[in-house]
Amino acid sequence: KNQVEQSPQSLIILEGKNCTLQCNYTVSPFSNLRWYKQDTGRGPVSLTIMTFSENTKSNGRYTATLDADTKQSSLHITASQLSDSASYICVVSARSNYQLIWGAGTKLIIKP
Amino acid sequence: ETGVTQTPRHLVMGMTNKKSLKCEQHLGHNAMYWYKQSAKKPLELMFVYNFKEQTENNSVPSRFSPECPNSSHLFLHLHTLQPEDSALYLCASSPGERGRTDTQYFGPGTRLTVL
Repeated sequence: KNQVEQSPQSLIILEGKNCTLQCNYTVSPFSNLRWYKQDTGRGPVSLTIMTFSENTKSNGRYTATLDADTKQSSLHITASQLSDSASYICVVSARSNYQLIWGAGTKLIIKP
Repeated sequence: ETGVTQTPRHLVMGMTNKKSLKCEQHLGHNAMYWYKQSAKKPLELMFVYNFKEQTENNSVPSRFSPECPNSSHLFLHLHTLQPEDSALYLCASSPGERGRTDTQYFGPGTRLTVL
């Protein structure tokens, strides 16, 4: 069964610190993996998209990694800011039917 | 930020009411989607429209009825809902040329509460 599991479910860190969010998936055959950021009261916004051949992709202070062999991805946030407080959702696309498999998200809270 | 708009932002309705959610996209996209987002659960895809035609219905109960009059507008008609239907309903759009692997652009959602 195609699944996406994210950890931790929630995370609280101090402003200025770094953090890493994890995404494990069992989707096969794999097409691509996206990370979305969802602010409270808003819809998700795409941060990065990675295909099978890409290991790392950055978007400002956000860096996503992908290990297609172990079927794991991570989202690293550097020098966190209060505006980083949001839910971060991992989404994996299956190449066979273009189905999107959504994770439940990690709720990140940045404290001053 | 204003590429996909949804109204109303909040809705409280009784189980016998009939209401409609509206979504409008200003991005020139050809695909539109309705999702249900419940607390601590993954987004659930409900309906997909490509070029105004419904291409996917993920076993959604008939008390949810979508309508897509053109590529820019999408409605979700609600009737005889249940309390467990309370959730955030998100609309999204995408270019549509490459199916659902396109990046989707989301509206802010409608927070629905069924009493």
